Amino acid sequence: RKEVEQDPGPFNVPEGATVAFNCTYSNSASQSFFWYRQDCRKEPKLLMSVYSSGNEDGRFTAQLNRASQYISLLIRDSKLSDSATYLCVVNLWGANNLFFGTGTRLTVIP
Amino acid sequence: DGGITQSPKYLFRKEGQNVTLSCEQNLNHDAMYWYRQDPGQGLRLIYYSQIVNDFQKGDIAEGYSVSREKKESFPLTVTSAQKNPTAFYLCASIAGQGPYEQYFGPGTRLTVT
Repeated sequence: RKEVEQDPGPFNVPEGATVAFNCTYSNSASQSFFWYRQDCRKEPKLLMSVYSSGNEDGRFTAQLNRASQYISLLIRDSKLSDSATYLCVVNLWGANNLFFGTGTRLTVIP
Repeated sequence: DGGITQSPKYLFRKEGQNVTLSCEQNLNHDAMYWYRQDPGQGLRLIYYSQIVNDFQKGDIAEGYSVSREKKESFPLTVTSAQKNPTAFYLCASIAGQGPYEQYFGPGTRLTVT
């Protein structure tokens, strides 16, 4: 079983739609969680960290469910510029225990 | 500006040649990483280093070598022993303490023919 699993998509949504991605992780001892955004042929960039209480940054909301071992990313009012691949990253403990999901591809359609 | 630089952005080599990819950071980060990404695939860890003069193999280290002589620099050599070297190579770093947010360089796209 993979450490981190994501639905690869693709998710094709119209502008203005709300879209949600989930990511599950296998190790209950995981400590910290992140969502990254990767544009085509570019490096991943940190979108947001995910905190136990959930956190929001503008149109983006991240949630953590430790009991079910998943994290989610909600994007409201989708923009064309949101089109990208979203990577889920889980840190077990320490700088040498980072695990990446394979990414969920989002395309926002005009 | 603080950040991670990788050079070159595109690199072309003939099969059988070794090639070294550069990665430099001025973030004063302790840990540095090399990943490989193939089209439509996730990131796979090649090597990582948590301190100077020390590094560990990742999941796919065969055919690669690294050095960490300075905190700022973590070059990756793709040797002729690597069977499928054509890929997008990403360098990343993390500060020594949590929460371990990873920062990436812009990547080097290596093509071997």
